[in-house]
Amino acid sequence: AQSVTQPDIHITVSEGASLELRCNYSYGATPYLFWYVQSPGQGLQLLLKYFSGDTLVQGIKGFEAEFKRSQSSFNLRKPSVHWSDAAEYFCAVAYTGGFKTIFGAGTRLFVKA
Amino acid sequence: DAGVIQSPRHEVTEMGQEVTLRCKPISGHNSLFWYRQTMMRGLELLIYFNNNVPIDDSGMPEDRFSAKMPNASFSTLKIQPSEPRDSAVYFCASSSPRDRGLAYEQYFGPGTRLTVT
Repeated sequence: AQSVTQPDIHITVSEGASLELRCNYSYGATPYLFWYVQSPGQGLQLLLKYFSGDTLVQGIKGFEAEFKRSQSSFNLRKPSVHWSDAAEYFCAVAYTGGFKTIFGAGTRLFVKA
Repeated sequence: DAGVIQSPRHEVTEMGQEVTLRCKPISGHNSLFWYRQTMMRGLELLIYFNNNVPIDDSGMPEDRFSAKMPNASFSTLKIQPSEPRDSAVYFCASSSPRDRGLAYEQYFGPGTRLTVT
């Protein structure tokens, strides 16, 4: 069955430190991959996406993610975290011909001063 | 673009009452999704439409829940009768047609926070 796993329920990093959020998916073919961010009291906002081509994709707010087919992973990174990055982050996957997007359970990011 | 519009933003109702949540997708988008988000269950897909037709409603929890999309610019999610366990944030999202490069990305509304007492 198609699934998305975000192994970390929450992560705490210091402001200015680097960040990596993990995401693994299960599916045989190449999926479309997304990271969304949800700030408190708001809906989900698309951070970045991977469809094909360069496996390192850049998104908004200084985020990037790398697709690694051999590991079925699409980890999100940021070199220097800002306090405003505190939010919940969702990894998601969609498949050619389908309509559904499958979301991971989310990782809540806490940023300490 | 105004983005996905949902109303109301907050709804407080008593158990047994009917609740109707509304959504206006982004103009030109032809897929619409209803999600429910709770602390316990996370983000759950309830139902989705393509070209105003319900494609998959397997996520609708019970017969008390129903959704309609009478035209391309409006959808409703109705709960009748409502119960305290329906308390959650309900999101509507839309996406563009599959023959366009931006297909599969979903654009979310701000959500409706429903509290059933």
